[in-house]
Parts: sequence; structure tokens; C-alpha cells
Amino acid sequence: EVQLVESGGGLVKPGGSLRLSCAASGFTFSTYTMNWVRQTPGKGLEWVSSISSGSSYKYYADSLKGRFTISRDNTKSSLYLQMNSLRAEDTAVYYCARASEDQLLTFDYWGQGTLVTVSS
Amino acid sequence: AIQLTHSPSFLSTSVGDRVTITCRASQGISNALAWYQQKPGKAPNLLIYDASKLGSGVPSRFSGSGSGTDFTLTINSLQPEDFATYYCQQFSSYPLTFGGGTKVEIK
Repeated sequence: EVQLVESGGGLVKPGGSLRLSCAASGFTFSTYTMNWVRQTPGKGLEWVSSISSGSSYKYYADSLKGRFTISRDNTKSSLYLQMNSLRAEDTAVYYCARASEDQLLTFDYWGQGTLVTVSS
Repeated sequence: AIQLTHSPSFLSTSVGDRVTITCRASQGISNALAWYQQKPGKAPNLLIYDASKLGSGVPSRFSGSGSGTDFTLTINSLQPEDFATYYCQQFSSYPLTFGGGTKVEIK
């Protein structure tokens, strides 16, 4: 069974940093592109970042402007998101999502999400 | 970035009804569109990809159509478990973007 479990969310002050982790199991992690998608409370979905299976390719949402860094450790089947210079508008539930086998740029399995709250 | 606009934003309907939701892209995206269903407190679930292909394990009452800028998600004979919010997502180009969603509620 495919499982994605996020961790690392919490309350952080504006300007602070946080590192999110996603532990994957039930599939061959090293062969899949992985993604972060966030959802602001009561609102819609926003794609954050994607990383190819071997970390050669990384893509980010324009709104992040270099503040976030995606990475992965295939030996640990883990995905990460380093978030720096956090702002109130980064407050959201952050989901780890696997790229679909049928269409690489869609998401077929998601974690339960981890809440990041940026507030003083 | 390509913007996606849902229509309607909110839909009140009944079990057994046929429901059609529209997603319009700000520029042509060929068939690079997916649909997701999200229930409260849960992660989204992939329903449709490539505009019309059914995702794994998705019931056949769900169908998608469209190409270019206009897309539709149709649910035939709405079931109680289908009351949820539906989102479209384009993957024609980065940044990947989602529409604002259509909430389907029980009348």
C-alpha cells in the first residue's frame, strides 16, 4: 500500500524557517517524481514544487521566489521542503504527492498533509 | 501562469442528478487537464487525467471532456459519496496550476 506521511509542520514566526519531511513507503520511491502541493485554510490548492526521481530537475512556483528548496534522499525514501523567510501567506496545509504513473504531471497519491502556520 | 476558472463555484444538487462542472483555461492547453475530488479534511483524489482518461479505481459515472480552453467534468447519477469539492489542474506548462474549485452540496 502506498503511504506518504508528512511531518515538520508547526507554528513559526514571520521570517523564520521550517523543514518539512515526507516519508514514503509501499512503492519504489527512487523511480518517481515527487511534489509538494499546499492548500490555504478554506481555500484552494497551489502547486509548490516538483523534483525528478534522480533530483536532476527541480521546479518551483513563481510565488516562492527562491525561498523554498525541494530535495530528496532516495536511500531513505524521503522528500523534503526547506522553507525560509516564511510569510503569513505561506500559512497552509502542505501535502506531499506522488507523480501519477499514467500522467507524470498529475498526482495520484497524497499524504495527509502537515499544517504550517506563520504568525507572530 | 495559466489561470483556470471553474463554473459554477457552488452547486446544490440531489442524489441521482447528472452534474456538469466546467473549467476554462486562460490559454490553450490541448488536453493537459486533470480533475480531482476532495472531501473535507482529506487529501485530493485524482479522477481524470489527459482531460478524459479515468483514473485508477474511479467509478465510470465520472467522465471528462474538452480540449484547448474549455473542459467539463460530468458525474452521472450523483451518489451520496460524490458530495465534495472538485478541482481542475493544468499540466501544459509550469507553473502547474489548479482552479479555485466547485463545491457540490446536497440540495
